[in-house]
Amino acid sequence: DIVMTQSPDSLAVSLGERATINCKSSQSVLYSSDNKNYLAWYQQKPGQPPKMLIYWASTRESGVPDRFSGSGSGTDFTLTISSLQAEDVAVYYCQQYYTTPRTFGQGTKVEIK
Amino acid sequence: QLQLQESGPGLVKPSETLSLTCTVSGGSISNYYWSWIRQPPGKALEWIGFIYSSGTTTYNPSLKSRVTISLDTSKNQFSLKLSSVTAADTAVYYCARDGNGDYWGQGTLVTVSS
Repeated sequence: DIVMTQSPDSLAVSLGERATINCKSSQSVLYSSDNKNYLAWYQQKPGQPPKMLIYWASTRESGVPDRFSGSGSGTDFTLTISSLQAEDVAVYYCQQYYTTPRTFGQGTKVEIK
Repeated sequence: QLQLQESGPGLVKPSETLSLTCTVSGGSISNYYWSWIRQPPGKALEWIGFIYSSGTTTYNPSLKSRVTISLDTSKNQFSLKLSSVTAADTAVYYCARDGNGDYWGQGTLVTVSS
């Protein structure tokens, strides 16, 4: 199985400041035939299902604010919230969909400082 | 707009079989993979498995011996059966479309308890 490891487990950021979450996969999720990274980022608020923010490591899902951005390739990825808003308080997960079993990171809890 | 909705019992006794159905509306099941994912209270997400519209299934090896996912294309539904459940199977169970696109059900809490 591909193990997805996120860091940190939690972080507290002031409103308007940048939040950065890292995700490392135990093997590459870059598919050579199409040069795409099969890595998604999700946001989950209490009592709600996960909401996809980013797919292919850096493509924003429709309707997602542009303060959310994804970067990275191969085994190392980053989700950045450029200017944290109160509504961004949530747990964030990375997921690889390069192979089965699909696997998720352990989650990163983002709070307001 | 594609929508998914889980349904099934919220309480299952230990050693029995958990059964859930996901109804897909606003689009066809054809040509996609359809997943079951679960989340124990306060814990991370775990992928259970998926089924392609042709009926081909792939399961998480950690659950493979107990899982069956099936499809009813006439009803635009797919289903999950998890046998011999224990308290460790207590979780919110989600159905979702695999891959790009934000298509998840709201989730249903299944508690395993006598």
